[in-house]
Amino acid sequence: AQSVAQPEDQVNVAEGNPLTVKCTYSVSGNPYLFWYVQYPNRGLQFLLKYITGDNLVKGSYGFEAEFNKSQTSFHLKKPSALVSDSALYFCAVRGYGQNFVFGPGTRLSVLP
Amino acid sequence: EADIYQTPRYLVIGTGKKITLECSQTMGHDKMYWYQQDPGMELHLIHYSYGVNSTEKGDLSSESTVSRIRTEHFPLTLESARPSHTSQYLCASSPGYSQGNTEAFFGQGTRLTVV
Repeated sequence: AQSVAQPEDQVNVAEGNPLTVKCTYSVSGNPYLFWYVQYPNRGLQFLLKYITGDNLVKGSYGFEAEFNKSQTSFHLKKPSALVSDSALYFCAVRGYGQNFVFGPGTRLSVLP
Repeated sequence: EADIYQTPRYLVIGTGKKITLECSQTMGHDKMYWYQQDPGMELHLIHYSYGVNSTEKGDLSSESTVSRIRTEHFPLTLESARPSHTSQYLCASSPGYSQGNTEAFFGQGTRLTVV
């Protein structure tokens, strides 16, 4: 069975500091991994994905994520946080032929 | 910007009414999904479809029903709305296995309130 864990309900970071939002997963076979962001009263917006290739993937708005197969992790990172990055972030995994499984979400607050 | 549309964005309706939430996508995606999400909480898959005339129930039991008569259209219907149905409903689509098999695209959501 597939599963996704986001161990932190809330992450607080000061503006200009680096941020990390953690994600670990479990899936049979090779994983397809995704990060989405959700602003209030909106749908989910795609940020980035790992399908194959380089372990470090770059996405929208300066975000990047590192795939670590041995630790089954796919942490989201950004070198310098902005107040406008404050939102709800979802990690998702999908095995081949399977539906998406989303994590419970992590609320990021960037403090001015 | 993803080409997937949900209407209405907001709906307030009385108990017992029948409602249909509309979802359309112009990307030709085979797969479509409905998720239920309480504000700021996790997503729950309630229905999905792998193509025309294909519908399946998701992980969360729901009293709603869906249909997929056309590739681009995946409406969700509640025959008799109840206050417990109050939630946000998100529609999504993704390519099928022969189309690239990558990320899902989400609509803006419908915020339903049953009074």
